[in-house]
Amino acid sequence: DVKVTQSSRYLVKRTGEKVFLECVQDMDHENMFWYRQDPGLGLRLIYFSYDVKMKEKGDIPEGYSVSREKKERFSLILESASTNQTSMYLCASIGGIQKPQPQHFGDGTRLSIL
Amino acid sequence: AQTVTQSQPEMSVQEAETVTLSCTYDTSESDYYLFWYKQPPSRQMILVIRQEAYKQQNATENRFSVNFQKAAKSFSLKISDSQLGDAAMYFCAYRRRRDDKIIFGKGTRLHILP
Repeated sequence: DVKVTQSSRYLVKRTGEKVFLECVQDMDHENMFWYRQDPGLGLRLIYFSYDVKMKEKGDIPEGYSVSREKKERFSLILESASTNQTSMYLCASIGGIQKPQPQHFGDGTRLSIL
Repeated sequence: AQTVTQSQPEMSVQEAETVTLSCTYDTSESDYYLFWYKQPPSRQMILVIRQEAYKQQNATENRFSVNFQKAAKSFSLKISDSQLGDAAMYFCAYRRRRDDKIIFGKGTRLHILP
């Protein structure tokens, strides 16, 4: 089974802090994604990466950056956390044998910015 | 720009009954994939069913089936013989084949009434 692991289930940080959310997948998938999930808004794509050191902006990249130094790890960075970044963050990767390949999601990180 | 619309924010169905969740999308692409994902209260998103746009035959996975109407850009999910474990948030997703960009709908919360 594919495993997508997010480093923290819950995280509380203060305004202005630099925040790192880590995501690791164990199936050598090339494509990885970061979403935020807010009630009534569904999942919104922040950034995605289709290979090491490659990244593409999603629909709401402002205030975020990403890092993909190794294929298995995709990090989301909040450069200077703000209260409007309080949200559930979901990481996903695409892969698998059966086509079309589905996304595999992590358990999510509920981030609160105080 | 692509959009995915789930017009029913919340639905309820009696256990053992059949329910249909609607999803429409807008795209100018001809080659894409469509997915339904389920997010139970435990939060991890899991794949329910997938459809390739070039396949006219509707996908089926046990009690789950879709009604894919490409011309109408409609992709509804039918759940037969509803079970308590089907209670979850359901997300419709569109994925563009050429670059894997994915757009999610805002979700439909499904309640199963015993």
